Amino acid sequence: DAKTTQPPSMDCAEGRAANLPCNHSTISGNEYVYWYRQIHSQGPQYIIHGLKNNETNEMASLIITEDRKSSTLILPHATLRDTAVYYCIVRVNTGKLIFGQGTTLQVKP
Amino acid sequence: DSGVTQTPKHLITATGQRVTLRCSPRSGDLSVYWYQQSLDQGLQFLIQYYNGEERAKGNILERFSAQQFPDLHSELNLSSLELGDSALYFCASSVQSRTGGGGYTFGSGTRLTVV
Repeated sequence: DAKTTQPPSMDCAEGRAANLPCNHSTISGNEYVYWYRQIHSQGPQYIIHGLKNNETNEMASLIITEDRKSSTLILPHATLRDTAVYYCIVRVNTGKLIFGQGTTLQVKP
Repeated sequence: DSGVTQTPKHLITATGQRVTLRCSPRSGDLSVYWYQQSLDQGLQFLIQYYNGEERAKGNILERFSAQQFPDLHSELNLSSLELGDSALYFCASSVQSRTGGGGYTFGSGTRLTVV
């Protein structure tokens, strides 16, 4: 599985969009980009995943660059409850998830 | 409630002892994954089972073992426990077919404290 690089921490103002970057320059053609988040010590929560195209669901949007070497998770209107550690993971669709250190997002009032 | 049930939620035991953690996957999910999260190590993948068979192994110690039963629930057995085994243990499940996958669903974890 390809490795990912994320900033260790980010701040965001409540109500504003949170844009979380992820670099995955060694991603292979059959590897998907997955995003999870972990709030405090709860179980990680699935957010979104994609292969090539941009994806959107009720939680977030995922923007993948054309060369697939990086992606951005967008939380359109961050709330205090979005404060969490966000993990960007690349994997073969049927493979195991390997978590890195993630980005700690602090949403501030 | 994610649909993945882990028991017990908390466990305190002494060094040298053996414990069993249990996981019931979400209805319809065939794959079960076990992860360990300690303060200094992050989320570490331990092992995966698919429909009763071991599918992938991660950094699982020889003192640890797991199995998935015909009803698809899984158990993680930890023996000869050491202080360093104190951690959160998460179970996750997914449909995990060969043609697609989607995300995992995680349980709320078992917090193991070894004293």
